[in-house]
Order: sequence, then C-alpha cells, then structure tokens
Amino acid sequence: AQKVTQAQTEISVVEKEDVTLDCVYETRDTTYYLFWYKQPPSGELVFLIRRNSFDEQNEISGRYSWNFQKSTSSFNFTITASQVVDSAVYFCALTLKTSYDKVIFGPGTSLSVIP
Amino acid sequence: DVKVTQSSRYLVKRTGEKVFLECVQDMDHENMFWYRQDPGLGLRLIYFSYDVKMKEKGDIPEGYSVSREKKERFSLILESASTNQTSMYLCASRAFGVTYEQYFGPGTRLTVT
Repeated sequence: AQKVTQAQTEISVVEKEDVTLDCVYETRDTTYYLFWYKQPPSGELVFLIRRNSFDEQNEISGRYSWNFQKSTSSFNFTITASQVVDSAVYFCALTLKTSYDKVIFGPGTSLSVIP
Repeated sequence: DVKVTQSSRYLVKRTGEKVFLECVQDMDHENMFWYRQDPGLGLRLIYFSYDVKMKEKGDIPEGYSVSREKKERFSLILESASTNQTSMYLCASRAFGVTYEQYFGPGTRLTVT
C-alpha cells in the first residue's frame, strides 16, 4: 500500500529563519511521482514541484529547495529566510504511474511564520 | 497559467436540498477531479473524469454524483444534502500525458444545516 507521512503537524518559526518540512513516502512501485502543494489561508492548493522517481537531482527555486532521497524514501522541502507569506499548510503527495489519477496526499504541515 | 474556477466560495444549504457545485477550467485539460477536505481526514477523492461523459468513482462516492457534459466543466451533485456533507470541496484538473500534477480551484466551503 502507498502512504505519505508528514510527521510535523504544526511548525512555527520567526521570520527569516530557515525551515524544513519533512515528507516520507511508502511504495513498492519503481515509477512514481512526488509533489509538494501549498494551501494558504485562502484555501486553494497551489502546485509547487513535481519529481519523478528516476530524478534524484535536488532542486532550488528562489528561497525554496527540495531534497529527494530514494534511499530514505524522503522528499523534504526547505524554505530559506522564511517570510510571513509562507504561512500555509503544505502537502506532500505521491502518485504512481500505474494509477496516476489517484493521488495520495500526506496529512499536511501547518507552517506559521511569525513577524 | 492554469485557471480553475468554482461557482461559489461559500454555500449554505438545508438538509435534503439538491446541491450543485460547478467547476470550470480553461486549459483544455482532459482530467478533472472532485475532492473533499476535512480536518483530520485530509483530502479524499470523490469522483474524477477523464473525458466528457466519462466518470470514475473515487474513494468516497456515496451520496454524490457528477456530470461532465463539456470538457471544461465538471459538476458535483449532492442529490439530498446531509449535515455530514458539510465540508470544503475542491475541484482540480490535469492534462493527460506525462505531467501528473493537478491544478486546484479555490474551493467551496459548503455548510448543510
């Protein structure tokens, strides 16, 4: 069975601190896709990044970076120099190539950035 | 940019009413989805559609039906609303092919009294 775990339910940081959101996934499939979504207080889930299982290259986009490690089944998300606008719930998600319309979402991590 | 819109941000209905939630996407995506989001239960898939007039049940289809008469529009129908259907409803769309991310609308917070 597939599963996504986000052990951190809530995180609170002071503005300008760095913060890492953890994501651990479980699957026996060899081809799969991992995602991060952001859900601000307005409610809309915003797609941030997709990674496929064959691409372990880390990615940086501005203040955001992602670390994908198949050896530990982790896909962690780091925000550098956090800002108040980063306050949101962040979801890690997994989909398999064999059932790509079924997305397994993690429970989410609520991040509060305090000014 | 992909744009997914939902007909209402907030909706209040009475028990037993028939409720229609509308979702429209403007990117010619083949696949569309309806989720509900509840505290402690996360996002759960209700129905999805991979083509006009085609639909597939998700994880929690009971009490819901869907309609997709046009490619850009996917409707969720609560035949007889009940209080346990009070929830946040999220619509999403996805292009068929090699990219698998879904694009979400702003959500409809439905309250059934």
